[in-house]
Amino acid sequence: GAVVSQHPSWVICKSGTSVKIECRSLDFQATTMFWYRQFPKQSLMLMATSNEGSKATYEQGVEKDKFLINHASLTLSTLTVTSAHPEDSSFYICSASRRRGEYSNQPQHFGDGTRLSIL
Amino acid sequence: AQSVTQLGSHVSVSEGALVLLRCNYSSSVPPYLFWYVQYPNQGLQLLLKYTSAATLVKGINGFEAEFKKSETSFHLTKPSAHMSDAAEYFCAVSPRNSGNTPLVFGKGTRLSVIA
Repeated sequence: GAVVSQHPSWVICKSGTSVKIECRSLDFQATTMFWYRQFPKQSLMLMATSNEGSKATYEQGVEKDKFLINHASLTLSTLTVTSAHPEDSSFYICSASRRRGEYSNQPQHFGDGTRLSIL
Repeated sequence: AQSVTQLGSHVSVSEGALVLLRCNYSSSVPPYLFWYVQYPNQGLQLLLKYTSAATLVKGINGFEAEFKKSETSFHLTKPSAHMSDAAEYFCAVSPRNSGNTPLVFGKGTRLSVIA
């Protein structure tokens, strides 16, 4: 079963709306969560790295004030797209990694993604 | 810095034919390598991974990949394609398996399977 839950899976909203996407690790504590963005027929591009209890580290070219990331607990990170516009329409995927030393058969567990469509 | 190159954005094979998806990597340190599959409107599913143990890695759904350091390659193969294998495949690299380092993905290869 899924170990990372991402919600919602699909959002359609008007331009100017702020949208919050949640990423939860279901049965483990995630020290680090990553947020990726994927345009149609393209690869995943890392947007930011989120560490619990500290500010997120954004990749070059990603607007911090546009994409607000909060990682307040070891099982939850949120991405808020503020004042979304049509160019923000994309597929957003989160992933979570376990705390150092915890056994896992893979370095990151991915959520199922959120398709964001801004009209 | 690390990077991944997937040769061929689209590969088409007949059902029952050999599947070969190419991946070459660049890394200044010994890499860990992964193949993921993505079905439409879904997240990523790990197919297999190389983490410095056996160079021939077997994964789920009959896929396998061989790490060749001399060729800096990690090509994905499957002896006989099924219709259900049609999807997008991503090769990814990581400098270490700490989990706190983001994966670097290739651009992906879309696999089509023809009946």
